[in-house]
Amino acid sequence: QKEVEQNSGPLSVPEGAIASLNCTYSDRVSQSFFWYRQYSGKSPELIMSIYSNGDKEDGRFTAQLNKASQYVSLLIRDSQPSDSATYLCAVITGANNLFFGTGTRLTVIP
Amino acid sequence: EAGVAQSPRYKIIEKRQSVAFWCNPISGHATLYWYQQILGQGPKLLIQFQNNGVVDDSQLPKDRFSAERLKGVDSTLKIQPAKLEDSAVYLCASSQGSSYNEQFFGPGTRLTVL
Repeated sequence: QKEVEQNSGPLSVPEGAIASLNCTYSDRVSQSFFWYRQYSGKSPELIMSIYSNGDKEDGRFTAQLNKASQYVSLLIRDSQPSDSATYLCAVITGANNLFFGTGTRLTVIP
Repeated sequence: EAGVAQSPRYKIIEKRQSVAFWCNPISGHATLYWYQQILGQGPKLLIQFQNNGVVDDSQLPKDRFSAERLKGVDSTLKIQPAKLEDSAVYLCASSQGSSYNEQFFGPGTRLTVL
């Protein structure tokens, strides 16, 4: 079982819709969770971090964490074509190791 | 503020050859990370330095990969000898503290092994 799993997509949503990206992790004692955005041919950039159960909002982005179910999600409201990218979920395990998922490719259709 | 610098940006070598990558972190950043990102996968942490000491190298294939950060500033990652499966983008990142939350990535070096 992989430490972090994501649906590779592609996920296509129309402009203005809500994009929902999901991630599950295997280490029950993981404490830190991150979402990175990676444009094609570019490096990852951090967009959200979350540490506690519940929702965390930042502009059009909302991260949701459910430790009991071991999943973390990212919602993008009012999706824009500029949001088209690969979204990487990353988790710091109980052993303080950082693992990335394979990423979900999002396409926002104008 | 200048970002993380990496060179070269692209490298093509044949299998069994050696290759080295260089990284200069953001000024004042004590922690430096090297990642390997194979096409279609997420980055995999190879090694983490705090100043010039190794914090984590558990996923570094030590039979062929080595890294150093002698003066606690810039760093080199070496592969010797290279294999076909080493074809990937090698990303360097740095952070002021030891938190993964604060890390900034460089542009990466794309390695192709033929």
